[in-house]
Amino acid sequence: EVQLVESGGGLVQPGGSLKLSCAASGFTFSTYAMSWVRQAPGKGLEWVSAISGSAGSTYYADSVKGRFTISRDNSKNTLYLQMNSLRAEDTAVYYCAKGGVYNGSYLDYWGQGTLVTVSS
Amino acid sequence: DIQMTQSPSSLSASVGDRVTITCRASQSVSSYLNWYQHKPGKAPKLLIYATSSLQSGVPSKFSGSGSGTDFTLTISSLQPEDFATYYCQQSYSTPPTFGQGTKVEIK
Repeated sequence: EVQLVESGGGLVQPGGSLKLSCAASGFTFSTYAMSWVRQAPGKGLEWVSAISGSAGSTYYADSVKGRFTISRDNSKNTLYLQMNSLRAEDTAVYYCAKGGVYNGSYLDYWGQGTLVTVSS
Repeated sequence: DIQMTQSPSSLSASVGDRVTITCRASQSVSSYLNWYQHKPGKAPKLLIYATSSLQSGVPSKFSGSGSGTDFTLTISSLQPEDFATYYCQQSYSTPPTFGQGTKVEIK
């Protein structure tokens, strides 16, 4: 059974940093691209970032480019999202999902999400 | 970026109703259109990928159609467990983009 479990969310001040983790199980982690998607309070889903299975390629939404860094440790079956220079508008539930951004891709499994609140 | 627009933004329906949700892309996305179901506090769930392919384990009451810029998701007979928000998403180009969502509520 595929499982994705996010952790690392919390309350952080504007300008601060936070690192999210996503522990994956139930599939061969290293062979799949992975993504982060967020949902701000009362809003819809917004794709944030993706990384290829080998970590050789990374992709970012313009809204987080230069501030967020996606990475993965295939030996630990874990996906990460390092978030720096956080802003109030980054407040959201962050989901990790199995799947990438190549033509025709889809996100077939998602975690339950972790809440990030950026506030002073 | 490709803009995805869903209609309606919300709808009220009764158990047993046939429900159709529309998704329109700002430019052609070929057949690279996916649909997700999201319930509050839960993980989003993939329903349909590539316009009309049913994800494993998803009941056949869900179906999708369309091509190019216009797509639909149909629920043939609405059940209590189907009340949720539904999102379309294009995977034709990066960044992948979602529609704003359609909230299906109980009438």
